[in-house]
Amino acid sequence: DAGVIQSPRHEVTEMGQEVTLRCKPISGHDYLFWYRQTMMRGLELLIYFNNNVPIDDSGMPEDRFSAKMPNASFSTLKIQPSEPRDSAVYFCASSLERTSYNEQFFGPGTRLTVL
Amino acid sequence: QKEVEQNSGPLSVPEGAIASLNCTYSDRVSQSFFWYRQYSGKSPELIMSIYSNGDKEDGRFTAQLNKASQYVSLLIRDSQPSDSATYLCAVNLYSGGGADGLTFGKGTHLIIQP
Repeated sequence: DAGVIQSPRHEVTEMGQEVTLRCKPISGHDYLFWYRQTMMRGLELLIYFNNNVPIDDSGMPEDRFSAKMPNASFSTLKIQPSEPRDSAVYFCASSLERTSYNEQFFGPGTRLTVL
Repeated sequence: QKEVEQNSGPLSVPEGAIASLNCTYSDRVSQSFFWYRQYSGKSPELIMSIYSNGDKEDGRFTAQLNKASQYVSLLIRDSQPSDSATYLCAVNLYSGGGADGLTFGKGTHLIIQP
């Protein structure tokens, strides 16, 4: 079975540009999570969805960040405008609630560099 | 505020020995606990999950949970060079009413010396 799919795998952009990261969760999973990983702060939760509905976005750092999940198989994380401090690896993860206690499976990540 | 603490290491263990990784957490109501392995430049990979006090074994891996002490550990028996990675401890508040995002420790860098 296919795991979580993310695109692009690498993104290099200039400060002020809009960045859109994409995620396809594991088929049938009803939870989708966006995380960000940096050396300084480690792995942090940004936002998560249940059945396409945002549940908790308290981890989104600023209004420049937004996330959507228009259907069960697709989610986007958008940064507009981007800043150098947004440089990080962004991971998407998914889980199936009715299985044991929300085991989350991660995608390969998108490495974002903002110049 | 949920916090998860791990020794950053590096923890150096000779090949064939037992590697012991530790994690403490601050939120007493945390319900489920996970260990992820992350190789450099790769994504976290789930290797163990544990929900009840005591030990849970899976192959060379054993997870141990003590909720009273707010402590979870991971033992790796017969350590192999391929076990060299960063191990992330994660906790999840799950009361049966819905899932939650994971809170991660900063990770322990494990080095298995051939």
